[in-house]
Amino acid sequence: EPEVTQTPSHQVTQMGQEVILRCVPISNHLYFYWYRQILGQKVEFLVSFYNNEISEKSEIFDDQFSVERPDGSNFTLKIRSTKLEDSAMYFCASSEATGVYYGYTFGSGTRLTVV
Amino acid sequence: AQKITQTQPGMFVQEKEAVTLDCTYDTSDQSYGLFWYKQPSSGEMIFLIYQGSYDEQNATEGRYSLNFQKARKSANLVISASQLGDSAMYFCAMREANAGNNRKLIWGLGTSLAVNP
Repeated sequence: EPEVTQTPSHQVTQMGQEVILRCVPISNHLYFYWYRQILGQKVEFLVSFYNNEISEKSEIFDDQFSVERPDGSNFTLKIRSTKLEDSAMYFCASSEATGVYYGYTFGSGTRLTVV
Repeated sequence: AQKITQTQPGMFVQEKEAVTLDCTYDTSDQSYGLFWYKQPSSGEMIFLIYQGSYDEQNATEGRYSLNFQKARKSANLVISASQLGDSAMYFCAMREANAGNNRKLIWGLGTSLAVNP
């Protein structure tokens, strides 16, 4: 069964450093998403991406964050100048279409710890 | 206002028994989809089952079934014959037709299920 692959599975970084979280969506999917889950809290939408541009972003997704699809397969989330409160599980997801009946396929997540 | 409400922070069930995890939702859309995901302690998010707002029959997937009561805006997950491996967090989520082009998922806070041997 096709998978969404996320790397790394765990990342520890020093406060103030930049991190890049990587994702390989399912090849025939067109819509890509990043979600965040702070430990013990709800899953929060960060950004959606379609046709090589951001189509929607949440208020969390400020100038500290950026996404790109550099080579047609990878989908990356960059977090600049990380803060302690950026520690969370970050999920990449992809979807074939955006009909309400289409679910997402999630990656296994990257657990980011900022120290 | 919460769009997805899961009122049970934690649930316990005896192995081999059935358990119902509650989910109520709030939307003014006529067209929407409801999803349940399982998150084991390892952290990944696993899709379990979905229910479309226009589906007349309750969704079923193996041991999972969704008790969909549209008028009450509830979409409870029923797990039959619980297994130890069912111990996990369970999230209810919704995708609305009028939620923008990409129709992001809106999530509940989750229910932690523990299956006792």
